[in-house]
Amino acid sequence: GENVEQHPSTLSVQEGDSAVIKCTYSDSASNYFPWYKQELGKGPQLIIDIRSNVGEKKDQRIAVTLNKTAKHFSLHITETQPEDSAVYFCAASRKSGTGRRALTFGSGTRLQVQP
Amino acid sequence: DTAVSQTPKYLVTQMGNDKSIKCEQNLGHDTMYWYKQDSKKFLKIMFSYNNKELIINETVPNRFSPKSPDKAHLNLHINSLELGDSAVYFCASSQERGGGGEQFFGPGTRLTVL
Repeated sequence: GENVEQHPSTLSVQEGDSAVIKCTYSDSASNYFPWYKQELGKGPQLIIDIRSNVGEKKDQRIAVTLNKTAKHFSLHITETQPEDSAVYFCAASRKSGTGRRALTFGSGTRLQVQP
Repeated sequence: DTAVSQTPKYLVTQMGNDKSIKCEQNLGHDTMYWYKQDSKKFLKIMFSYNNKELIINETVPNRFSPKSPDKAHLNLHINSLELGDSAVYFCASSQERGGGGEQFFGPGTRLTVL
């Protein structure tokens, strides 16, 4: 099955700095890579995703890059703000035998943005 | 309007009891999921239903039994609760058709087994 590794487990940055979180995956058939943000006491919320036919995607201060050959993908947050503080999860999925996707999550990164 | 709702938000119970967690989504999605998040924040899928049909069943003890009365609801019943069942359980839904892939999560149910 798929195995997703995520680093670092904790990340502290100063407000305005950039933050980078990296993930690797094991299943070369994985073709969908979402990133979720989980705030304290809430469920995870999708912030950006990328598919295997694209190498990079950007949405305002957030960008994701994908290297299919190396099987790794990264989340980049620029100009960090205190409200970016949360736990971030990467995930990977592919079509299962029934044609349905199953998400495998990384272990999470706790990001703290210091004002 | 709440997209994916779960009840209860908190559940404290004794070992050996049987309990249920309810989940409802008003997004019109075809697929619903149950995830378990342990104390280290690790999220792991437990079950997935599509149009009331079980499509994913990870290695979960058979004390856990999901039930989907209709495609908007996916309830989780747990028999003979154990200390190790303490975790936050998240329900999620997605619309598989159209290829979006995004899963919408509920607020979670924190289960504490004493």
